[in-house]
Amino acid sequence: SQTIHQWPATLVQPVGSPLSLECTVEGTSNPNLYWYRQAAGRGLQLLFYSVGIGQISSEVPQNLSASRPQDRQFILSSKKLLLSDSGFYLCAWSMGRAAFFGQGTRLTVV
Amino acid sequence: DQQVKQNSPSLSVQEGRISILNCDYTNSMFDYFLWYKKYPAEGPTFLISISSIKDKNEDGRFTVFLNKSAKHLSLHIVPSQPGDSAVYFCAASATLSGTYKYIFGTGTRLKVLA
Repeated sequence: SQTIHQWPATLVQPVGSPLSLECTVEGTSNPNLYWYRQAAGRGLQLLFYSVGIGQISSEVPQNLSASRPQDRQFILSSKKLLLSDSGFYLCAWSMGRAAFFGQGTRLTVV
Repeated sequence: DQQVKQNSPSLSVQEGRISILNCDYTNSMFDYFLWYKKYPAEGPTFLISISSIKDKNEDGRFTVFLNKSAKHLSLHIVPSQPGDSAVYFCAASATLSGTYKYIFGTGTRLKVLA
């Protein structure tokens, strides 16, 4: 069966510091991969999605970037965090019509 | 532009009664719709989905109805149980070159009262 791992679960970072969140999927090949963010009291905003290695589509212009160095690995990065980057970040995968989510990372920028 | 809208931020229902969660969308290209359940500090869990070629899909206590002409879908939970208390998100996707982009609503917090 397929599983998705996302880490860390929580992260507190100072403004201006770099960010790297990692997500890996097991039990499937060539999945579509997604990064979402849930800001406080808000819905799930699609940030990036990828249909294959090295293929990244950005949905919202922002301070973040994504990379897919391997088939089942998706990384969310920032060179310099802003206060507004705080939120709950979720990685998801899809091979068909439904997407399945990881447990999320709570990022607090201080 | 909010393409998927959940206009009720919260809903309270007595245990054993029906819960009805609503969702509206604006993009006529959406052809697949999903409902997710989310607990605090956890990722959303997939509940049920429906293709635009259908108007109803049922899975146990959960039924999703789709009204394409009104661009409206709803999730019915019967009977409601205290464990159903969570935030429910509807999502929509449009098949573009085989890539599924999922656009989510803002969620409805359901509270089932014992």
